[in-house]
Amino acid sequence: EAGVAQSPRYKIIEKRQSVAFWCNPISGHATLYWYQQILGQGPKLLIQFQNNGVVDDSQLPKDRFSAERLKGVDSTLKIQPAKLEDSAVYLCASSPSGNTIYFGEGSWLTVV
Amino acid sequence: AQSVTQPDIHITVSEGASLELRCNYSYGATPYLFWYVQSPGQGLQLLLKYFSGDTLVQGIKGFEAEFKRSQSSFNLRKPSVHWSDAAEYFCAVGGVGTDKLIFGTGTRLQVFP
Repeated sequence: EAGVAQSPRYKIIEKRQSVAFWCNPISGHATLYWYQQILGQGPKLLIQFQNNGVVDDSQLPKDRFSAERLKGVDSTLKIQPAKLEDSAVYLCASSPSGNTIYFGEGSWLTVV
Repeated sequence: AQSVTQPDIHITVSEGASLELRCNYSYGATPYLFWYVQSPGQGLQLLLKYFSGDTLVQGIKGFEAEFKRSQSSFNLRKPSVHWSDAAEYFCAVGGVGTDKLIFGTGTRLQVFP
């Protein structure tokens, strides 16, 4: 079974530029998550989708971050404009139901 | 408040030695508990999970964890550590009716030959 796919794996951008990350969840998983993991910290939930609807985006900085999940499958997370403090790993994860969450390998963002 | 505490930021052990990583949680309902491992440059891999039943759960790579409700703990153990176990380990808590996980800050494991 294929895992959660993410791209790009690594990205370096200058502050105030924009960036987009793509995620393809495990086939059949209705729930999709984006987590932010800053160096030295545990992952923090940014947004959770159930099919193509948003369940929780309470910790998403909506002035600069946006996410969508069209057709209830793939998802895109965008940051515009990026700040230095956005340097982190952006982890996509998916879940069929019942609490077990499976993570992708992450997209590593450095803002300079 | 819901939280997870991993009191050890960094642990160093010799290869072949036993390992115990500590995890304490605060959760207002019946907790679901998880341990994930993150190797350098990689995402998080699920090691094991506890939902209910036997409080000693077995996971992949020879790891086990014991749920102790009275102590609000879910410590991870391995009887003999291998050099390839060097990684960051995260404890997480979720609950019935929610699939949102709250993570601890992680414990970095270093293994000496």
